Amino acid sequence: AIWMTQSPSLLSASTGDRVTISCRMSQGISSYLAWYQQKPGKAPELLIYAASTLQSGVPSRFSGSGSGTDFTLTISCLQSEDFATYYCQQYYSFPPTFGQGTKVEIK
Amino acid sequence: QVQLVESGGGVVQPGGSLRLSCAASGFTFSSYGMHWVRQAPGKGLEWVAFIRYDGSNKYYADSVKGRFTISRDNSKNTLYLQMNSLRAEDTAVYYCAKDARAVAGMNTFDIWGQGTMVTVSS
Repeated sequence: AIWMTQSPSLLSASTGDRVTISCRMSQGISSYLAWYQQKPGKAPELLIYAASTLQSGVPSRFSGSGSGTDFTLTISCLQSEDFATYYCQQYYSFPPTFGQGTKVEIK
Repeated sequence: QVQLVESGGGVVQPGGSLRLSCAASGFTFSSYGMHWVRQAPGKGLEWVAFIRYDGSNKYYADSVKGRFTISRDNSKNTLYLQMNSLRAEDTAVYYCAKDARAVAGMNTFDIWGQGTMVTVSS
């Protein structure tokens, strides 16, 4: 199985900040990477797939970049509704696997 | 409105069985592969199982292989997960999730249910 390391595990930020979350893969996955947002008590929601393609309805302040083994999720101007936990997920090979998550909390 | 609604969770003793259901609406269920993903309390996401749009192929995580069975009834727009020989480590919220791409699939999850809690405890 392909494993990933997400960093940081916890990120403290303020509304209006630019934040970046990293996801590093144990082997190259081309651009077969997705990002999800999960709020407490709710199901995850797909934000980005193919490393950089925004899912329909997702605000443009979210962006993704990277290929191969190193990927980044960026939130350009953090809003109150963005405080949540974010997961990366590879779908290059079976089984699909998730990162351990990054919690974005209010500073 | 695209929607997935899980049911069937509950408390079961170790070694017991449970069957989860996931009712789909608002999309052509028979054209999409479907997944189960679980989340233990306070933990991250773990993919559990996948079934192709026509039920022809099924895949499982090593942690549940031989104990869990995924199935679907396209005439009822419903996905199932039969869970046998349950262990304490199976305790989690179980989500059904729709594959983001029809037919061929891409193993990303664009629609999720609200989840159903399974607790394995004596």
